[in-house]
Amino acid sequence: AQSVTQLDSQVPVFEEAPVELRCNYSSSVSVYLFWYVQYPNQGLQLLLKYLSGSTLVESINGFEAEFNKSQTSFHLRKPSVHISDTAEYFCAVSTYTGNQFYFGTGTSLTVIP
Amino acid sequence: KAGVTQTPRYLIKTRGQQVTLSCSPISGHRSVSWYQQTPGQGLQFLFEYFSETQRNKGNFPGRFSGRQFSNSRSEMNVSTLELGDSALYLCASRAYWGAVDSPLHFGNGTRLTVT
Repeated sequence: AQSVTQLDSQVPVFEEAPVELRCNYSSSVSVYLFWYVQYPNQGLQLLLKYLSGSTLVESINGFEAEFNKSQTSFHLRKPSVHISDTAEYFCAVSTYTGNQFYFGTGTSLTVIP
Repeated sequence: KAGVTQTPRYLIKTRGQQVTLSCSPISGHRSVSWYQQTPGQGLQFLFEYFSETQRNKGNFPGRFSGRQFSNSRSEMNVSTLELGDSALYLCASRAYWGAVDSPLHFGNGTRLTVT
């Protein structure tokens, strides 16, 4: 079975500082990778996705993630965070095996003014 | 295009009662999944429906059931509610079962409180 590990459950960071949210997955087959963001009392919103091609993917709000096949990682980064980035972030993997999505346990990002 | 719509947004029920939650997927999406989200357990997969048939199922007791209608709308039902069923229930849709290269699109959830 596939599994997704988000190594940090909580990440506090000061405003305008850089941040990295870590995600590792276990799979012996081809995977598709996603990052979602969840604001309080809302559902999950797609932040970015890796399907194929360039290993570095970017979102419209300054986040980026890099697919590293050898390390089975898909870490999320932002060079300078804003207060509005405070939210829960979920990493997800999908594969044709089992034909479903697997989510990490989430990382709570808190941006400190 | 309208997003995934879940109703109601909030529910308060008493232990032992049953509850039905509703989900309308994005227009054109035919696969609907349900998740339970709690602070302690995170996101837990309940089941996925496509073409009115359950395609995948998570590890939940039989008190949790679902169905999908011909217009792709889905409902989930929880019978004999327990305090531990208090959670945010999220519905997500995708174009079709097997579209693993397409992201799931989530609704805003139904917050169920069992007292």
